[in-house]
Order: sequence, then C-alpha cells, then structure tokens
Amino acid sequence: DAGVIQSPRHEVTEMGQEVTLRCKPISGHDYLFWYRQTMMRGLELLIYFNNNVPIDDSGMPEDRFSAKMPNASFSTLKIQPSEPRDSAVYFCASSLDPGGDGYTFGSGTRLTVV
Amino acid sequence: QKEVEQNSGPLSVPEGAIASLNCTYSDRVSQSFFWYRQYSGKSPELIMSIYSNGDKEDGRFTAQLNKASQYVSLLIRDSQPSDSATYLCAVKVAAGNKLTFGGGTRVLVKP
Repeated sequence: DAGVIQSPRHEVTEMGQEVTLRCKPISGHDYLFWYRQTMMRGLELLIYFNNNVPIDDSGMPEDRFSAKMPNASFSTLKIQPSEPRDSAVYFCASSLDPGGDGYTFGSGTRLTVV
Repeated sequence: QKEVEQNSGPLSVPEGAIASLNCTYSDRVSQSFFWYRQYSGKSPELIMSIYSNGDKEDGRFTAQLNKASQYVSLLIRDSQPSDSATYLCAVKVAAGNKLTFGGGTRVLVKP
C-alpha cells in the first residue's frame, strides 16, 4: 500500500490567493482527517470525515477554510482567500473504522503564504 | 487547561540511558492512548498504543497507563541517537473517532 498521499508537498502562495490541498487516503480506510501543525499551536484537528461525510468541522478556523470528500479515495482542503497566518504544515490522515490503532499520516503539505 | 499536556523539553539523555516521557489528559472518559514519533520535517508515525491500565512493552518502548491519575507515559530503554525526535501523546475519547494531540516532547539523545 502506498500509504496516505498528499499533494503538493510544498506550496508558496501570495496573500489573497486560493490554495487547494489534496489527499488520497489508504484504500479501505473509512475515516479521513485534516490536521494543521504549527510551532505555536501544535497539531490541531480541522475536520474529519466518515464514509465521505463530514462529521466534525469544529476545528475549521473560519469560513475561508472548506473541505470536501467527493469519494472514498479523494479529499480536498481549500483556503480562500489565504492569509500569512495560514502558513503551517497541513497533514491528512486516515484510519479504519473504529480506528483503534491510531492514524496513518500523509507526508504533509508545507504551506507558506507571503 | 489543555486537553492533553506534555512537557515540551528538550529532554536530553545520554546514549544507552532510559528516556521517560509523561503525558496528562483532562477527559476522564478517554479510552485509547497513543504515542507518535515525529522526526523533524516528517509526519507523525505511530509507535505505541495502550488501552488498559498498566504497562505495555514493545521492544525498547514501554507505555504505562494510569486512568485514575489520568496520565500516560512512555519509556525508551537503551536510548539511541536515532531516537532523537519529538514524541506526541494522543488521546481518543470513547465517543467519536478523533485523536487529540499534546504539544509533544522533544527528545535529544547524545552519543
């Protein structure tokens, strides 16, 4: 298995631009999670899906952030418009239902908004 | 109070010594506990899980759980320079399937 695949690995964009991060979970995993990691705040859960349905989006910081999971093998996290404070590493993770063994993380997308 | 708390470190240990990491959590109904290791610039990787009070050993790693005191710890025996990383404690409550992570403890193993 190729694991959780995220793209791009690095993204540099100007303030105000739209940014789309992509994730392909491990085949057969029913849960998909989007996390953000910064030095100040650590690893924060933004949103998670179960069987492609958003279950908890309470961690999404504001309306500029949106996430979709159109099918079991693909999810996107979109920031529009982007701001410098959105600079962070964004991780996607997936797990089996009920995820008793924790998650498998993707390699992350390092986002820099200038 | 943060839901999951860890000392940020760095915890400096000599090669061959035991590294002891602690984690406390606030939600009494938490059921599952995990330790992840994260090398600089890499993603977190699962190294241990523990669900019941007591000790669980896996190679050089031992996880310890005390639900009454709401803490979980990780011991790394015979520490190696390759163990130098940030160790993240994660907690999952019974309802739902999301992990809450602590801020991580940075461990430095010096040759």
